[in-house]
Amino acid sequence: DQQVKQNSPSLSVQEGRISILNCDYTNSMFDYFLWYKKYPAEGPTFLISISSIKDKNEDGRFTVFLNKSAKHLSLHIVPSQPGDSAVYFCAASPWETSGSRLTFGEGTQLTVNP
Amino acid sequence: DTEVTQTPKHLVMGMTNKKSLKCEQHMGHRAMYWYKQKAKKPPELMFVYSYEKLSINESVPSRFSPECPNSSLLNLHLHALQPEDSALYLCASSHSRGTGELFFGEGSRLTVL
Repeated sequence: DQQVKQNSPSLSVQEGRISILNCDYTNSMFDYFLWYKKYPAEGPTFLISISSIKDKNEDGRFTVFLNKSAKHLSLHIVPSQPGDSAVYFCAASPWETSGSRLTFGEGTQLTVNP
Repeated sequence: DTEVTQTPKHLVMGMTNKKSLKCEQHMGHRAMYWYKQKAKKPPELMFVYSYEKLSINESVPSRFSPECPNSSLLNLHLHALQPEDSALYLCASSHSRGTGELFFGEGSRLTVL
């Protein structure tokens, strides 16, 4: 039962263009949605998040959009840079009083070509 | 200090061995986690400690035994593991509130022979 799905295992874009990574979820109990970036031989690094009361959150080149009715979120990276090449994990969590219960998607390998 | 430090980075053990993975953070976070990640799969939650107490156990087999000696340290004791337990074990920490913003360590790569 995959509650968080990233249907594109890989994405390749040119430097300077927009990268759009997509994620779908099934569990309506999720309150927070996050994107993590992972380089080889490193642990995942938190990138950006959005709570279920918002539909957009922006941080520099990164913007996350949430469509609750469609149970869909996306990460936009503009402009894309070669250093953005990594695996991007979408993750979701219900509100917890004792830490977080993150469920990750399978990840999308982003390659930004110079 | 925004790091989560895990040791050892690599561990090879037999099925009859007893070993431990260690994790340390000095960010004052009160929630700590163990995740397991198999190759080309997403991280899967194993345990959550909140204020040094086990708050979530995702039905993990008893051959994995977590321990939180204090708010900065988290251990995972391993005993009688199976080859299918070979994976990357990730430790993470966060503030106690459940917003999902976790700080991960680099992981301990475990191989069970």
